[in-house]
Amino acid sequence: EVQLVESGGGLVKPGGSLKLSCTASGLSLSHAWMSWVRQAPGKGLEWIGRIKRAADGGTTEYSAPLKDRFFISRDDSKNTLSLEMISLKTDDTALYYCTTEGFGYGFHAVDIWGQGTMVTVSS
Amino acid sequence: QSAVTQPASVSGSLGQSVTISCLGTSSDVGHYNYVSWYQQHPGKAPKLIIYGVTNRPSGVSNRFSASKSGNRASLTISGLQAEDEAHYYCSSYRTNYLLFGGGTRVTVL
Repeated sequence: EVQLVESGGGLVKPGGSLKLSCTASGLSLSHAWMSWVRQAPGKGLEWIGRIKRAADGGTTEYSAPLKDRFFISRDDSKNTLSLEMISLKTDDTALYYCTTEGFGYGFHAVDIWGQGTMVTVSS
Repeated sequence: QSAVTQPASVSGSLGQSVTISCLGTSSDVGHYNYVSWYQQHPGKAPKLIIYGVTNRPSGVSNRFSASKSGNRASLTISGLQAEDEAHYYCSSYRTNYLLFGGGTRVTVL
């Protein structure tokens, strides 16, 4: 069974930093474009950014409002994806999903989702 | 980046059809055939139900269909069933970005 499992969420103070991880089972992340998507409590989905597979350059692209504070990286040897977040704000409180993008169902379709890890930014 | 707009809610009776719109711009929905739709039940992760404007992943009911005209994409749910009550989100590619719509709550009466 293909599965993405996020970890690293928790409570952090405004201005703090946090690094989320995502581990895959049943698929090799090296073959996939990976994205992070978040969902604030009671709100809609927000795309954070993506990292392409190494074969496509391994480059990153981010949502404009987040690009200076959120950073995506991958370690294909460990089959893991990371999201580093700095200068966190209360508005960053959300459930953070690790996802594949266009892995099995066409470009730019978010086709595999983890269950999410909750990040709460509060003093 | 600009938003992709969906109605906040739609409703329909059991067995009827409902259509959800997803209004973008000529830089996203109108330019690329990379519109997807997702279903999200409370407390669950979203599930891809349409990709590439009109295509259903394997295992998704053929009661879900979708189309696009200009800057507007649409998702139609035919023969509404109780389990269709959920939030639905569209997404569209825009150069270097992925945009999500604000989501539509579907209520089955």
